[in-house]
Amino acid sequence: ETGVTQSPTHLIKTRGQQVTLRCSSQSGHNTVSWYQQALGQGPQFIFQYYREEENGRGNFPPRFSGLQFPNYSSELNVNALELDDSALYLCASSLGSSGYTFGSGTRLTVV
Amino acid sequence: RKEVEQDPGPFNVPEGATVAFNCTYSNSASQSFFWYRQDCRKEPKLLMSVYSSGNEDGRFTAQLNRASQYISLLIRDSKLSDSATYLCVVRFNDYKLSFGAGTTVTVRA
Repeated sequence: ETGVTQSPTHLIKTRGQQVTLRCSSQSGHNTVSWYQQALGQGPQFIFQYYREEENGRGNFPPRFSGLQFPNYSSELNVNALELDDSALYLCASSLGSSGYTFGSGTRLTVV
Repeated sequence: RKEVEQDPGPFNVPEGATVAFNCTYSNSASQSFFWYRQDCRKEPKLLMSVYSSGNEDGRFTAQLNRASQYISLLIRDSKLSDSATYLCVVRFNDYKLSFGAGTTVTVRA
């Protein structure tokens, strides 16, 4: 059974640029959630995808968008990057709303 | 008001000691409760779910008080490997986990 894998592991971007982060869900899981964790804080919910549809969203602006593919993998896109977007981005897969497994995250630095 | 609040610590304890800490949550309709463990610069990992009747998993004991809306975690006979940040997590709908900011525990030799 493969776990949740995220790519890239680290990324440096310039303010105003766009970024795409990727997540492969755990085998058998059909739901993917994305979280942002700033330094010293707990993870904050961005959104969740279930069967390729967004079915829940946190308090993040529209420049945070996502996709889920038929194989349940997912992408997080962030446009017009701001310095405050620097954080660890975590993807979690689950079967419905149970059994969340987190990937090791992508550390994004915006300069 | 934050959805989940935790004492950030740090709790610095000797090996073998008992350490306990709490978190509070704001939404009385919350359905599920968890403790996650996060090591430095790593992903959160589920430590244990928390049930209304309280539950144990080895040296770890979790309690839930729905009336007062708080959750506790107790670690007995602390090991060096217990050093980590412990995240209190609450779910009150089908799609969102709400995390506290974490309680840092350091176990010293």
